Amino acid sequence: AQTVTQSQPEMSVQEAETVTLSCTYDTSENNYYLFWYKQPPSRQMILVIRQEAYKQQNATENRFSVNFQKAAKSFSLKISDSQLGDTAMYFCAFLMNYGGSQGNLIFGKGTKLSVKP
Amino acid sequence: NAGVMQNPRHLVRRRGQEARLRCSPMKGHSHVYWYRQLPEEGLKFMVYLQKENIIDESGMPKERFSAEFPKEGPSILRIQQVVRGDSAAYFCASSPRSGNSGANVLTFGAGSRLTVL
Repeated sequence: AQTVTQSQPEMSVQEAETVTLSCTYDTSENNYYLFWYKQPPSRQMILVIRQEAYKQQNATENRFSVNFQKAAKSFSLKISDSQLGDTAMYFCAFLMNYGGSQGNLIFGKGTKLSVKP
Repeated sequence: NAGVMQNPRHLVRRRGQEARLRCSPMKGHSHVYWYRQLPEEGLKFMVYLQKENIIDESGMPKERFSAEFPKEGPSILRIQQVVRGDSAAYFCASSPRSGNSGANVLTFGAGSRLTVL
């Protein structure tokens, strides 16, 4: 069974600084997707970034980027120029790709990020 | 383009009552997923449905919980004879049909918070 581990329950960063959130996962499969979701106090789940396992290039979305190390099964999220609005729970998630059929997302327990002014 | 709509946002039930949570997927999405989030935890998969079909219910408790996605109308998650341990946030997500680009990206609703007294 696949598992997702986020080893940092809480982190804080000063506004405008850079922070990296860690995520490791365990799978014997080769074809899958990885995601970071953000959950602000409103509790809405918002997709931050996604990575296809077959792509070697790390995904980027504006201030958000990932460091995907497939052999190490590591998928960290880097937030540059942190803003107060980045304060939220961040969840790493894993999705199997069954050759076009849909699997289901497996989430880590989350990292609570606080951006301080 | 309305997102995933869930209602009610908040539901209070006494032990032994029934809870019904509704989810309307995004326009053009034919896959619906239900997840449960306990306090201080990540989301846990419950069930995956397409119109009139349950595709994967491996995350559903064996008793008291059921889900449907009829041909017409929203998807319903039904919890019979609720107990205090059912208190949680229940999230619905939807995605396009398999094979579409972006089929692996789930769009989440804002969640329904169930409180059992």
